[in-house]
Amino acid sequence: VIWMTQSPSLLSASTGDRVTISCRMSQGISSYLAWYQQKPGKAPELLIYAASTLQSGVPSRFSGSGSGTDFTLTISCLQSEDFATYYCQQYYSFPRTFGQGTKVEIK
Amino acid sequence: QVQLVQSGAEVKKPGASVKVSCKASGYTFTSYDINWVRQATGQGLEWMGWMNPNSGNTGYAQKFQGRVTMTRNTSISTAYMELSSLRSEDTAVYYCARAGDYGDYVDYWGQGTLVTVSS
Repeated sequence: VIWMTQSPSLLSASTGDRVTISCRMSQGISSYLAWYQQKPGKAPELLIYAASTLQSGVPSRFSGSGSGTDFTLTISCLQSEDFATYYCQQYYSFPRTFGQGTKVEIK
Repeated sequence: QVQLVQSGAEVKKPGASVKVSCKASGYTFTSYDINWVRQATGQGLEWMGWMNPNSGNTGYAQKFQGRVTMTRNTSISTAYMELSSLRSEDTAVYYCARAGDYGDYVDYWGQGTLVTVSS
């Protein structure tokens, strides 16, 4: 099983801020990592796959980087609609695993 | 457009089983794996397993082995997830989720089905 450590669990930020969320793997996963955004009461939505490929329709202020064991999601200029919970997921091996989530709240 | 429409909320007693359906439309059902993911209230996402709708092959997380069964009916483009021997800890929203074009991430999610286990 690949264990994932996502940090921070809570991030307080203001509109316009640049924020970064980290996801660290217990073993290397090449670039088989996805990032999702989830708003209360809604299903998650795909933001990024293959560590750095932006899903169609996702704003360019979202970006992903990393490979191997260390990955980062960056929101370059936080907008009001970005306050949500973010999850990373590895799809390198079974069982698929998710990070614990990062809630981005208004400061 | 791709849609995954799940069956409605369920209330079950401990020890019972629940079967959640997921009807796919807008794409070729047999061309993409279906994953099942659950989320307890206020908690994170938990991957349960996957199914290849073309072959029927499945793979389950060890935690659910022996209690979960994933099946499909290709004639109506519908996937099913059945969980047996329910306990209160199984109370959660259950999502079906389609694998992506370039790997087994999820690019489309169902709306979720709340399963409540209570005596």
